[in-house]
Amino acid sequence: LAKTTQPISMDSYEGQEVNITCSHNNIATNDYITWYQQFPSQGPRFIIQGYKTKVTNEVASLFIPADRKSSTLSLPRVSLSDTAVYYCLVGPSGSGYALNFGKGTSLLVTP
Amino acid sequence: DSGVTQTPKHLITATGQRVTLRCSPRSGDLSVYWYQQSLDQGLQFLIQYYNGEERAKGNILERFSAQQFPDLHSELNLSSLELGDSALYFCASSGQGGNTEAFFGQGTRLTVV
Repeated sequence: LAKTTQPISMDSYEGQEVNITCSHNNIATNDYITWYQQFPSQGPRFIIQGYKTKVTNEVASLFIPADRKSSTLSLPRVSLSDTAVYYCLVGPSGSGYALNFGKGTSLLVTP
Repeated sequence: DSGVTQTPKHLITATGQRVTLRCSPRSGDLSVYWYQQSLDQGLQFLIQYYNGEERAKGNILERFSAQQFPDLHSELNLSSLELGDSALYFCASSGQGGNTEAFFGQGTRLTVV
């Protein structure tokens, strides 16, 4: 399984764009990149998933460069309610979620 | 509401005891995953079942075991409990496709005293 590295914590002000980058140098050809969000004492929740280039949905964008050795989760105009832990997961299609989420990136949004 | 139900929400028990955590997956989901979340280790994968069969094993202790029943609900059994087993235990379920979204329950908070 590909090893991922992401910042332990980040701070932002309301209304700013937040970019969280995840490194996954040994990503395999059939690996997908998935991001989850977790609020305190709640189960993680799916945000976005991609394989290459850019993926956008109603809450976030995921940028994946051509070499796929990193990915960036972009949260536009964050609010206080975006304060959460964000996990970057890399795994092969078919393996599902049989992998450790680790400690993720703890994002704190302040007024 | 993710559609995944975990019971109980809270559990307090003594060291050396045995407990059973229960998970009902989303309707139609064949895969069930169990995770342990502690402050020092983060969210760690324990075990996965797919349609009643063990599919993958992670950092699960020998004192822990799980099973998935014909109706697809799953149970995680924790025995000879130690103080260090105090954690949040999450269950998640997903559909057939390997990279489809996994839906998490609200977790069971286990406190061993």
